[in-house]
Amino acid sequence: KQEVTQIPAALSVPEGENLVLNCSFTDSAIYNLQWFRQDPGKGLTSLLLIQSSQREQTSGRLNASLDKSSGRSTLYIAASQPGDSATYLCAVRRGTYNTDKLIFGTGTRLQVFP
Amino acid sequence: NAGVTQTPKFQVLKTGQSMTLQCAQDMNHNSMYWYRQDPGMGLRLIYYSASEGTTDKGEVPNGYNVSRLNKREFSLRLESAAPSQTSVYFCAVTGRSYNSPLHFGNGTRLTVT
Repeated sequence: KQEVTQIPAALSVPEGENLVLNCSFTDSAIYNLQWFRQDPGKGLTSLLLIQSSQREQTSGRLNASLDKSSGRSTLYIAASQPGDSATYLCAVRRGTYNTDKLIFGTGTRLQVFP
Repeated sequence: NAGVTQTPKFQVLKTGQSMTLQCAQDMNHNSMYWYRQDPGMGLRLIYYSASEGTTDKGEVPNGYNVSRLNKREFSLRLESAAPSQTSVYFCAVTGRSYNSPLHFGNGTRLTVT
């Protein structure tokens, strides 16, 4: 059974720091991995999607990497800002049966203070 | 262009009451999903619909029913609400390709007393 874990559960950093969020999954047979951002009281916003054949994706100050063999993905946020404060979730799409289903981690709650 | 719209935003029910959560999309996507989000448990899939006319159970379908009314609309019904169904419910949509990103609505916060 695919399990997705995100560590740490919460993180508080001063503005300007570069930071890394981690996502681990137990079954390497994935189709892709997505990173989402969730603001309080809101839905999830897709940030980056990495296909299983890719090693990384970049969007602005965000860079996500994928290492299928070790079951890990990282989300790197450069020069963090208070506006980056949110919960970040990763989700994997299975690569075998039930490919329609995504398995979510429980998220990392990030606070960036001025 | 609203994307994914969920109604209502908030709802309070008494145990045993029924209600339908509505989801509509203007993104012309094929696949639609219902998730529930609970503290410490992340998002769990209730039901999904890969295309108009088809629905399948997810991880936690008990106590729920769904209807894929047309390509745009996917509703979730609670026939007899229970306190364990207190949660935030999200509708999401994605395109035909498995490499299409998932787009979420803003959620319905449901409390069952």
